[in-house]
Amino acid sequence: GAVVSQHPSRVICKSGTSVKIECRSLDFQATTMFWYRQFPKKSLMLMATSNEGSKATYEQGVEKDKFLINHASLTLSTLTVTSAHPEDSSFYICSASARTSGFYNEQFFGPGTRLTVL
Amino acid sequence: AQSVTQLGSHVSVSEGALVLLRCNYSSSVPPYLFWYVQYPNQGLQLLLKYTSAATLVKGINGFEAEFKKSETSFHLTKPSAHMSDAAEYFCAVSPSGAGSYQLTFGKGTKLSVIP
Repeated sequence: GAVVSQHPSRVICKSGTSVKIECRSLDFQATTMFWYRQFPKKSLMLMATSNEGSKATYEQGVEKDKFLINHASLTLSTLTVTSAHPEDSSFYICSASARTSGFYNEQFFGPGTRLTVL
Repeated sequence: AQSVTQLGSHVSVSEGALVLLRCNYSSSVPPYLFWYVQYPNQGLQLLLKYTSAATLVKGINGFEAEFKKSETSFHLTKPSAHMSDAAEYFCAVSPSGAGSYQLTFGKGTKLSVIP
């Protein structure tokens, strides 16, 4: 199956610093990547959708300048939380999909990144 | 617009008992439907998916789900629960067809398995 990795798996940072999270598709080319945020005991909230080489499309209520998304290649997307604050602490999950037959709109999820802002 | 409703935020079953997790969807177009499982502090793993082929879909770990258009349902079942099935389960829907990949998730159902 298709494998998606995320790095780091956990990060603790001080308030005001920026944190970058990487999402990689290891064995397929991901034409689209998604970033989700998950609060404790809650479902996944889609933050943004990014297509390779294009600007990300953010969901309503998600600050574009706060959560910078870059999808520079078909195997890598990054999410940068700028000037992080404690309320940004959360579990961030990326997923990737490919426009090839057999995937049927399936998204392959990374293992998630736990961000804690002190 | 699409939406998913998972009935029951928390379901408890005894080990060896039937597992039934309910999912109803709303979609203005033919949907694709998915069930994902999430273990603590991990990402989501696909259990099974419905993509307009057979209405009874078999997935991993002994799970299966049946797509019922008349009931707009896609309930997840497993004949005999195992302790390792304890996790959070998410039902999701997306439009069928090429070019549209956004998933809409339900709020999740936490499954507890009692020894």
